Amino acid sequence: AQTVTQSQPEMSVQEAETVTLSCTYDTSESDYYLFWYKQPPSRQMILVIRQEAYKQQNATENRFSVNFQKAAKSFSLKISDSQLGDAAMYFCAYRRGGGADGLTFGKGTHLIIQP
Amino acid sequence: SAVISQKPSRDICQRGTSLTIQCQVDSQVTMMFWYRQQPGQSLTLIATANQGSEATYESGFVIDKFPISRPNLTFSTLTVSNMSPEDSSIYLCSARVQDGYTFGSGTRLTVV
Repeated sequence: AQTVTQSQPEMSVQEAETVTLSCTYDTSESDYYLFWYKQPPSRQMILVIRQEAYKQQNATENRFSVNFQKAAKSFSLKISDSQLGDAAMYFCAYRRGGGADGLTFGKGTHLIIQP
Repeated sequence: SAVISQKPSRDICQRGTSLTIQCQVDSQVTMMFWYRQQPGQSLTLIATANQGSEATYESGFVIDKFPISRPNLTFSTLTVSNMSPEDSSIYLCSARVQDGYTFGSGTRLTVV
């Protein structure tokens, strides 16, 4: 079975600085998708970014980018120019290709933004 | 992207009773999912609910405890049956959409 590991329970960064959140996963599949979701105190899960395993190019969404290392099974999230609104729990998630499955989540990283 | 309305947002229930959580999607979706998020923990998939078929449950979750309905392509319910304090969690529904998954805002359940 696939597993997702986030080894940083909590991270802190100064406003306007850059922070990287780590995620590793274990799978025997070759076709899969990876996601980063943000969960603020409101509990609403918000999609930050997604990466298809077959794409070599790292996904980017404005200030958010990933470093996808398929051979190492690593999928880190970089947040540039951190803002107070970025404070939240961040979950890394995996889905097997084919589309019929739900997501397997990591334990999450609590991101604190220091003003 | 689709928007999910989930209710109730929170409830406090007596042990031994049941609670039904509803999720309404503003567009038709093929696949819906139910997750449990225990206090301070990650999300764990309970089951997958496709319209017109029985829900598929993950290991550790059974239909008698968490019956699910999916009567059409925009609606699903999850019932937490015969509740105990260990069922105190946040329950979230989710739908598969084009660029990933969209989520309801969750139901915070406290069993006393």
